[in-house]
Amino acid sequence: DQQVKQNSPSLSVQEGRISILNCDYTNSMFDYFLWYKKYPAEGPTFLISISSIKDKNEDGRFTVFLNKSAKHLSLHIVPSQPGDSAVYFCAASASGGGSQGNLIFGKGTKLSVKP
Amino acid sequence: AAGVIQSPRHLIKEKRETATLKCYPIPRHDTVYWYQQGPGQDPQFLISFYEKMQSDKGSIPDRFSAQQFSDYHSELNMSSLELGDSALYFCASRDRVNTEAFFGQGTRLTVV
Repeated sequence: DQQVKQNSPSLSVQEGRISILNCDYTNSMFDYFLWYKKYPAEGPTFLISISSIKDKNEDGRFTVFLNKSAKHLSLHIVPSQPGDSAVYFCAASASGGGSQGNLIFGKGTKLSVKP
Repeated sequence: AAGVIQSPRHLIKEKRETATLKCYPIPRHDTVYWYQQGPGQDPQFLISFYEKMQSDKGSIPDRFSAQQFSDYHSELNMSSLELGDSALYFCASRDRVNTEAFFGQGTRLTVV
């Protein structure tokens, strides 16, 4: 059973518009959420993260929103650029004590930004 | 800045052979994760190490084993390779203070 779900396998957006990528999770123990961007045949690149004590984190054109009650997070990219075209993975981890919880990934959403 | 280094980048092996993948984490990172990504699939967690001890285990086949050495580099050993083992294998490292994990470029393993 998928603990991290990205229900949209693909998204197409016009350059300059907002891209919104969604992610849902089922494990209430998750307390740290990350977004990774991935180009073909390359390793995932860390984009932005958010701790469960926050509901918003912003970094330049990228903003992540967390709704803990709905177990939902979203990544907003404003304005979208053609270079943003990639697969975006949502990931979550659960920390506790001295352990380092492993990252659980969603299946990814392929974003295409058209000029 | 130093990144996670994986070697080799590409590897071709025949069925039933063995393969060893290496991962060199970012300096001062003490946690290493291994992931497998098959064609068209999301990265699947295999195994992780914290301070040279196995910390968590995911969907790693019994034919695979891994360890983290005193210099914190890690090796994934794969034996009796099967065609289905063909995938991208990613290593990521993380330190105790920060919680972002940084990935290497991956090793593409092709079993023929």
